[in-house]
Amino acid sequence: EVQVLESGGGLVQPGGSLRLSCAASGFTFSSYPMNWVRQAPGKGLEWVSAISGSGSDTFYTDSVKGRFTISRDNSKSTLYLQMNSLRADDTAVFYCAKNRVDSSGYSFRAFDIWGQGTMVTVSS
Amino acid sequence: DIQMTQSPSSVSASVGDRVTITCRASQDISTWLAWYQQKPGKAPNLLIYAASRLQSGVPSRFSGSGSGTDFTLTISGLQPEDFATYYCQQANSFPRTFGQGTKVQIK
Repeated sequence: EVQVLESGGGLVQPGGSLRLSCAASGFTFSSYPMNWVRQAPGKGLEWVSAISGSGSDTFYTDSVKGRFTISRDNSKSTLYLQMNSLRADDTAVFYCAKNRVDSSGYSFRAFDIWGQGTMVTVSS
Repeated sequence: DIQMTQSPSSVSASVGDRVTITCRASQDISTWLAWYQQKPGKAPNLLIYAASRLQSGVPSRFSGSGSGTDFTLTISGLQPEDFATYYCQQANSFPRTFGQGTKVQIK
């Protein structure tokens, strides 16, 4: 079964750090771009970051540039999000999401597999 | 950044109704558009990608159309399990952006 499972969320003080992990299984992890998407309590979805299959290319939304770092370890089929200088407005459920890629390797850039999410709360 | 605007923000409908949700992009995104369904406390679920392609396992009552800046998600024959929030997302460029969501509620 194709699935991803996030971990690492929790309560952290403003200015603190946290590292999220996303363990993938059931697919060739290195062949797929991956993403982090977050959802603040009662709010809509916000794309946070993406990384290419090889890990050579990374992308961020402006509000996290310089504070968050996306990375991956293809040997462990695991995606990471290192979050530093956390702020109250980073409080959200963070989802790991896989790009939809067809059998020819073409990425449709939509997110076809999502984890259950991990809650990050930034509060003193 | 490309802004995605959904309308309406909420809609009340009955089982069996046809429901249409629109999504407008602030610039041309060709057909780089996806639609998701999200139920409370759950992760989003991909319904439509590339504007009109039905994701595997999604019922055929869901359909998508549009290109450029204007897109539509249609649910033909609303079922009880379809009451949820729906989001569009552009995949034309970074940063990826979502619409604000449309809540489909029971009338």
